[in-house]
Amino acid sequence: SAVISQKPSRDICQRGTSLTIQCQVDSQVTMMFWYRQQPGQSLTLIATANQGSEATYESGFVIDKFPISRPNLTFSTLTVSNMSPEDSSIYLCSVPGGPTNEKLFFGSGTQLSVL
Amino acid sequence: DAKTTQPNSMESNEEEPVHLPCNHSTISGTDYIHWYRQLPSQGPEYVIHGLTSNVNNRMASLAIAEDRKSSTLILHRATLRDAAVYYCILRDIRGGYQKVTFGIGTKLQVIP
Repeated sequence: SAVISQKPSRDICQRGTSLTIQCQVDSQVTMMFWYRQQPGQSLTLIATANQGSEATYESGFVIDKFPISRPNLTFSTLTVSNMSPEDSSIYLCSVPGGPTNEKLFFGSGTQLSVL
Repeated sequence: DAKTTQPNSMESNEEEPVHLPCNHSTISGTDYIHWYRQLPSQGPEYVIHGLTSNVNNRMASLAIAEDRKSSTLILHRATLRDAAVYYCILRDIRGGYQKVTFGIGTKLQVIP
C-alpha cells in the first residue's frame, strides 16, 4: 500500500488569495490524481499529474485556476488560485497501487474554507 | 464510464450483517467492480474488488450477480467504525491506469 501525506490538513483563506496543497507519497508513482469534494458531495477528478509532462485536466477545470506541479515521482502540489467561497471544498490527492495498480490510495485531504 | 446506482443511505444495527447493493446494468466485460469507503474526515479507502466470482477479504465480502449487472458488498458484523459512505465504482481492466469516477455512494449509519 502507499502512504500519502497531504498538507495542510485544513486552512481558512481570504477571497482572492491562493493556497498550495502538497502531496507526498512514500513510494515512486507514475500518476497522481487530484480530486475535489464539495460539501455533501462525491469526489470529482480535477486533473491527472504525470511526472515530466503537463497535467491533464478534466472538463470544467483549467490550469490557470488549478496549476499543478509534479517535480518528481513522489511529490505533487495543487494550487487553488484567486479563491472564492465557491472553492470551499476538501481537496484530495490519490495514487494507484497494488500488484497491478488496481487500487487507489488517498491522502487524508485538505479542508479549505474561503471567506 | 459505465455508471453505478446505489441507495443514498442505509441503516444497520451494530453487530448485524449489512448488505449494500449496487446496480451497474451497463457494465462491460472488461470492468472490474470496486468498492471504497470514506470514513468521516478521511479520504476514501479501498475495500474490495472483483470481476465475476465472489470475493472475500478481511474487511468484507463481495457478491456479484451471475449477469454482473449488480453486486452486493457484505459487512458480516457491522461495528460503529463501519459508519461511512460506501462507493461502488467500475474500472476497466485493460492496460494502463483508468481514471475513476465516483458516484454519490451509500451513507451507512450503524445504530448501537
